[in-house]
Amino acid sequence: GNSVTQMEGPVTLSEEAFLTINCTYTATGYPSLFWYVQYPGEGLQLLLKATKADDKGSNKGFEATYRKETTSFHLEKGSVQVSDSAVYFCALSGDGGSQGNLIFGKGTKLSVKP
Amino acid sequence: SQTIHQWPATLVQPVGSPLSLECTVEGTSNPNLYWYRQAAGRGLQLLFYSVGIGQISSEVPQNLSASRPQDRQFILSSKKLLLSDSGFYLCAWKGPINSPLHFGNGTRLTVT
Repeated sequence: GNSVTQMEGPVTLSEEAFLTINCTYTATGYPSLFWYVQYPGEGLQLLLKATKADDKGSNKGFEATYRKETTSFHLEKGSVQVSDSAVYFCALSGDGGSQGNLIFGKGTKLSVKP
Repeated sequence: SQTIHQWPATLVQPVGSPLSLECTVEGTSNPNLYWYRQAAGRGLQLLFYSVGIGQISSEVPQNLSASRPQDRQFILSSKKLLLSDSGFYLCAWKGPINSPLHFGNGTRLTVT
């Protein structure tokens, strides 16, 4: 079945540093790919998505490109801010089981220091 | 626009007491609905999902149950809480296949 592997955290960066959080997947068919962000004490929010190969999702300065050849969907941001401190989850659409449930990575905690 | 409401935000309950968490969705019809649990602030575990009124599927055996009495209402229940039921519970809804999940703000449950 479909699965996703996300880099282990935590990741600690200084403000204005470059961010990369790696995400790779295995899937049958043509899944959609997502990044979610969870701020402390809150639910998950959709950050960006891509529905087909070579699509680039972007939002709030974050970007991720759907790379079918490397089965990856790495999250990047050129200059992080303290307010970006959160847990980030990579996810992909499932293989039809659980009626459309998404398959989530284990999450990467990002801490940005001023 | 669609919105999802989940309550209460926090709950402290003694072992052996009952539980009822409620989730409602507005602005959409016949959504797929999901209950997740998140332990230790990380990883998501799918507990239940529903594709329609009265239709509940359980992903893991446990002390909890779910019900969907109305199209946009999803309830998570327990008759007797265990210490191990403590965690952060998230409700979510979803539209067509390959569309994203939309989450509520979660309920922090502490069983004492």
